[in-house]
Amino acid sequence: DQQVKQNSPSLSVQEGRISILNCDYTNSMFDYFLWYKKYPAEGPTFLISISSIKDKNEDGRFTVFLNKSAKHLSLHIVPSQPGDSAVYFCAASVTQGGSEKLVFGKGTKLTVNP
Amino acid sequence: NAGVTQTPKFQVLKTGQSMTLQCAQDMNHNSMYWYRQDPGMGLRLIYYSASEGTTDKGEVPNGYNVSRLNKREFSLRLESAAPSQTSVYFCASSEIGGTSPLHFGNGTRLTVT
Repeated sequence: DQQVKQNSPSLSVQEGRISILNCDYTNSMFDYFLWYKKYPAEGPTFLISISSIKDKNEDGRFTVFLNKSAKHLSLHIVPSQPGDSAVYFCAASVTQGGSEKLVFGKGTKLTVNP
Repeated sequence: NAGVTQTPKFQVLKTGQSMTLQCAQDMNHNSMYWYRQDPGMGLRLIYYSASEGTTDKGEVPNGYNVSRLNKREFSLRLESAAPSQTSVYFCASSEIGGTSPLHFGNGTRLTVT
């Protein structure tokens, strides 16, 4: 049962335009969400996060939006740059049995064309 | 600042061989994790250690064992490698679990023939 879904395996945008990466989740108990970026042959790096008590968090060119009623979050990158080309993973956290569990989506490969 | 260091970077094993993947972090983090990444599968948790002296199973623990040697080091052992364990393995650490961002190493690419 895939609790965190990134339904678009890939996305291609032009430099300077907006990139929107989407993530859906099924477990309403998830209370914290994170985005990670991964370049080839490197480990993922943390990008931005949002708590379930907020609906938006912004950090420079990156904004994450959370719609709890729809169980949906999105990552907006504006403006997109060629260096943003990477695989983006959505992750969701929940506390179960006294321990915190983090579930990752399968990732979306973003290509930003010059 | 090294962050999370994994060794080796690449490894080829024959079915039935054993090996240990090493991981060390220099950020004084309490929690450490082992993930595997397979094509189209995202990142799946194998084992984690919430703090020194504790280890717990993740989503896909079968065929693996772990040791939290001290606060810095967390090793992953394959006792009898199988082709299904061909994957890229990532070690990660965080200050605490869950909401603290994970810091990942650069991975070990393992092929089991």
